Amino acid sequence: QKEVEQDPGPLSVPEGAIVSLNCTYSNSAFQYFMWYRQYSRKGPELLMYTYSSGNKEDGRFTAQVDKSSKYISLFIRDSQPSDSATYLCAMRNAGGTSYGKLTFGQGTILTVHP
Amino acid sequence: ETGVTQTPRHLVMGMTNKKSLKCEQHLGHNAMYWYKQSAKKPLELMFVYNFKEQTENNSVPSRFSPECPNSSHLFLHLHTLQPEDSALYLCASTGDSQGYTFGSGTRLTVV
Repeated sequence: QKEVEQDPGPLSVPEGAIVSLNCTYSNSAFQYFMWYRQYSRKGPELLMYTYSSGNKEDGRFTAQVDKSSKYISLFIRDSQPSDSATYLCAMRNAGGTSYGKLTFGQGTILTVHP
Repeated sequence: ETGVTQTPRHLVMGMTNKKSLKCEQHLGHNAMYWYKQSAKKPLELMFVYNFKEQTENNSVPSRFSPECPNSSHLFLHLHTLQPEDSALYLCASTGDSQGYTFGSGTRLTVV
């Protein structure tokens, strides 16, 4: 079993739709959870960062973490064509230094069409 | 110049060639990483450097050789690669618990 599972999609939605992206994980030691966005021919860029369980909102983006279910989500409201990208979830445990390795999901390819 | 810069952006090399990838960060971070990104696979951690010292080698074949002369620069020396090593190689850095900053990557093709 992979440590982090993420449906690769592709996911195609109309402009203005609410998008839900999800990851499940098996390692209960994970404490820090991130979402990255990666445009074609670019490196991943950090979108959202959360610690432990709960919600975090930033503009049109909301990240949710449910540690009891080992499930994290990213919601995109009022999706735009510029949101078309690959979305990667990533997580790490709380042990050691803050320089510890991240474990990534496979990434979900999202297309928002006008 | 800010952020994490990787050069070259694209590289085509034969299996007998020797080449190097370069990564430079201007963020004052103390940790730097090499990741490999292949199609339909999660990012694979290759190497971790903290304060110029290698702290993790994720069972990477010896044909990949990292070098970290200081906390701002990271190299990946390549020799006698295989076609299956063709991928996007990403460098990242971090200085705190707020996640990584990635470069744009080097698209490597081994022929």
